[in-house]
Amino acid sequence: GQQVMQIPQYQHVQEGEDFTTYCNSSTTLSNIQWYKQRPGGHPVFLIQLVKSGEVKKQKRLTFQFGEAKKNSSLHITATQTTDVGTYFCAGPRGGSEKLVFGKGMKLTVNP
Amino acid sequence: DAGITQSPRHKVTETGTPVTLRCHQTENHRYMYWYRQDPGHGLRLIHYSYGVKDTDKGEVSDGYSVSRSKTEDFLLTLESATSSQTSVYFCAISEFVSGYEQYFGPGTRLTVT
Repeated sequence: GQQVMQIPQYQHVQEGEDFTTYCNSSTTLSNIQWYKQRPGGHPVFLIQLVKSGEVKKQKRLTFQFGEAKKNSSLHITATQTTDVGTYFCAGPRGGSEKLVFGKGMKLTVNP
Repeated sequence: DAGITQSPRHKVTETGTPVTLRCHQTENHRYMYWYRQDPGHGLRLIHYSYGVKDTDKGEVSDGYSVSRSKTEDFLLTLESATSSQTSVYFCAISEFVSGYEQYFGPGTRLTVT
C-alpha cells in the first residue's frame, strides 16, 4: 500500500544550527502537507504544497515539494527551542480526503 | 485552533469493558476522522466519516466502531477494550479548501488495564 517515509526519525541539534528533514512517498502525490506536534500536544497543520518544485517559507521554516511530486523537505534555519516537537508529513491516500502520515521526525534542541 | 473538543480527555478502563470516545466540532466540516497515536507508529487512521451516517474503515479498524448521527459529533466505540488499545486517540476534521488539510482535537489518553 501507499507509504510515506520520513528521515531521520530523530534529530538533535544545537540551538542556532540549521537542519533539513525529508519525506518520501512510494507514489506520486497530488499534494503534501506538514504538521507539527509539540510535546504533549496535538498535531497542528503547518502548510500544504501542491505544485511540482514548489517552495514555501514560514519565517525560519522552508518547505519544498520535489519535481516528481514524490518527496518533500523541511529546512529549519537557526533552530530555536520553540521548534522542539515532532514534524509529520502526510499525503492524500489515493487522491482522496484521507491522509497517509509518515511516522514523524522528532526534533530536540540543545540550548 | 479549530473548534474541536474531545471527551473524555483521560480514561482508565478495564479489559473487556466498552468505551465510547466523543468528538465534537463547531466548524460544520464534512469530514471527520479518528486516529490512534502510538510510539513508533505515528498517526494511524481508525475510521473516518464523509457525512452524517456515512463512515468507512481506516487501516486499523478491527475492534472499533463509529457512529455519526449529527454533523458535529463523531463517536468512537471500543466494544470490548483490550490492552493493545491503550493509546492516545485524536479526532480530526477537514473540509476541502485547496486540499483536505486536517485540524486535530486535543486528544484522549486511554489506558486499558
